[in-house]
Amino acid sequence: NAGVMQNPRHLVRRRGQEARLRCSPMKGHSHVYWYRQLPEEGLKFMVYLQKENIIDESGMPKERFSAEFPKEGPSILRIQQVVRGDSAAYFCASSPLRGPTEAFFGQGTRLTVV
Amino acid sequence: QKEVEQNSGPLSVPEGAIASLNCTYSDRGSQSFFWYRQYSGKSPELIMSIYSNGDKEDGRFTAQLNKASQYVSLLIRDSQPSDSATYLCAVGSTSYDKVIFGPGTSLSVIP
Repeated sequence: NAGVMQNPRHLVRRRGQEARLRCSPMKGHSHVYWYRQLPEEGLKFMVYLQKENIIDESGMPKERFSAEFPKEGPSILRIQQVVRGDSAAYFCASSPLRGPTEAFFGQGTRLTVV
Repeated sequence: QKEVEQNSGPLSVPEGAIASLNCTYSDRGSQSFFWYRQYSGKSPELIMSIYSNGDKEDGRFTAQLNKASQYVSLLIRDSQPSDSATYLCAVGSTSYDKVIFGPGTSLSVIP
């Protein structure tokens, strides 16, 4: 009974490289949320996706960030040309129903930009 | 005005005492409310959800909701050192289908 799976758990990228963060939701869940958490700060909403659809991307920076949730495979959060300010913990949560509803979090990906 | 506000703490309580965590929100139409617990370096864990005015109890935890006052709280009875964590209040947005998190309250239970 796997929960929400995120990988990698830790990711180090040099400035200017691309970061790809993956999230596999819990079995039976077709709704995925991405959040970013800076040190000593709360969770900031980034994007809400359903299979093959972006429902709400109001929290996504306008440039360099994109997200997808294809029909097959995990949800991907992609950050192009990373900068030091992108260093944070990125959490994915999934739910079986359209939100806002209870959501269950993965272990997160800690991105460090050097 | 921030959408979801919490006292940042830290809140310190002695072991065995009641810890009271408070949260206010700005979206008057919100209908769903959640409390998550997050240990340092870990991911948030859902503790409780509440949708109706009044109290909801689950073990040592009680969530209280007052929509008229736009206020939701979490009480932890018989606090244990293992309860030491950051508690995140989350509120469902009426504008979209997302959940907005507060900044969290750090709780420290002193043995």
